[in-house]
Amino acid sequence: EPEVTQTPSHQVTQMGQEVILRCVPISNHLYFYWYRQILGQKVEFLVSFYNNEISEKSEIFDDQFSVERPDGSNFTLKIRSTKLEDSAMYFCASKPTGSGNTIYFGEGSWLTVV
Amino acid sequence: DAKTTQPTSMDCAEGRAANLPCNHSTISGNEYVYWYRQIHSQGPQYIIHGLKNNETNEMASLIITEDRKSSTLILPHATLRDTAVYYCIVSFGGGGSNYKLTFGKGTLLTVNP
Repeated sequence: EPEVTQTPSHQVTQMGQEVILRCVPISNHLYFYWYRQILGQKVEFLVSFYNNEISEKSEIFDDQFSVERPDGSNFTLKIRSTKLEDSAMYFCASKPTGSGNTIYFGEGSWLTVV
Repeated sequence: DAKTTQPTSMDCAEGRAANLPCNHSTISGNEYVYWYRQIHSQGPQYIIHGLKNNETNEMASLIITEDRKSSTLILPHATLRDTAVYYCIVSFGGGGSNYKLTFGKGTLLTVNP
């Protein structure tokens, strides 16, 4: 069964460093997402991406965050200058076109900022 | 998207059916009911969704009341591996570029031996 894959599974970084989280969405999907989940809290929407541009972003997704689809298969989340509060699990997700279609999530990248 | 209300936690005995309720009294006519689950901080896993009719797949059954104001997810024979947080989410059909899912706190289902 096709799945969303994410790398790395776990990354430890120093505060202020740049981090890139990578995702390979399901191949025929055209909508892409990043969510995050701080330990013990809800899964939160960060950003959605369609047709090579951001469709919607949440208040969390400030100027230190950016997304990119550098080629036909990868979808990345960059955090420019990490803060302690960016420590969280980051989930990539994708969805095909059409109504009633389902969003499929990857297993997540656990980011620890020290 | 319409708001949902779920119990914070439930217990179920292994091998028995787990019935997880969800209230969504403000659901509108073109909103779907989706169920996802999250096993121990893994990525949310899609279970099932429906609009008006009851639905069944290999994982679960979804019973939606006639007035669509509530639904029940049924795991027919719960196993220990079904211990997870279950999320009931109401959302418009995903045709638009601004489609997304909004997660609440869900129900922690604990399946006991």
